[in-house]
Amino acid sequence: NAGVTQTPKFRVLKTGQSMTLLCAQDMNHEYMYWYRQDPGMGLRLIHYSVGEGTTAKGEVPDGYNVSRLKKQNFLLGLESAAPSQTSVYFCASSFVTGGSLSYGYTFGSGTRLTVV
Amino acid sequence: AQTVTQSQPEMSVQEAETVTLSCTYDTSESDYYLFWYKQPPSRQMILVIRQEAYKQQNATENRFSVNFQKAAKSFSLKISDSQLGDAAMYFCAYYSGGSNYKLTFGKGTLLTVNP
Repeated sequence: NAGVTQTPKFRVLKTGQSMTLLCAQDMNHEYMYWYRQDPGMGLRLIHYSVGEGTTAKGEVPDGYNVSRLKKQNFLLGLESAAPSQTSVYFCASSFVTGGSLSYGYTFGSGTRLTVV
Repeated sequence: AQTVTQSQPEMSVQEAETVTLSCTYDTSESDYYLFWYKQPPSRQMILVIRQEAYKQQNATENRFSVNFQKAAKSFSLKISDSQLGDAAMYFCAYYSGGSNYKLTFGKGTLLTVNP
């Protein structure tokens, strides 16, 4: 089925370890996003990309890096994981029609990351 | 910066009854888009309904409808004939239009449906 695929779905890391979360979409969407979801905090934007080879910081970018070498993939990296990065991470993609993001996002199913 | 406020962290409703979830937003824009997303226990984010600010008519999708009050900057979601499968976290989201291609989300309302 077409959509946004996130891998892995679950991961446990030790403090200081690194890892990369992969997001892949097959809808030819130009825009891609990484959010984190924490209880009582809603969804907060970490980084986003407006096209292949471009990235930009969102609301909570510290401790994360991203890359978008191919249009269909958006990678989120944690170089040195900290317990504060325990969260559920969502990737999303979107397209623009008529110069507007009028149809919102298509989301992946999320990655639950625990840092111990 | 735009903000989206969901003032009800938790709500409950009896099966077959109607419930309304509140959302207010802060903006100086005149043309924008509003969304309600549902997140069931499966964690998947599902678009429930969307509203274009320049349209006065309230959006409706089957049992889901919105009450869009532009002057009051209010965008509430009404769920009619509630079903057990409606139990989920609901997020309100705002998009300002233009080249800022990002959604701003509220903190969510957890809806429980009692049999």
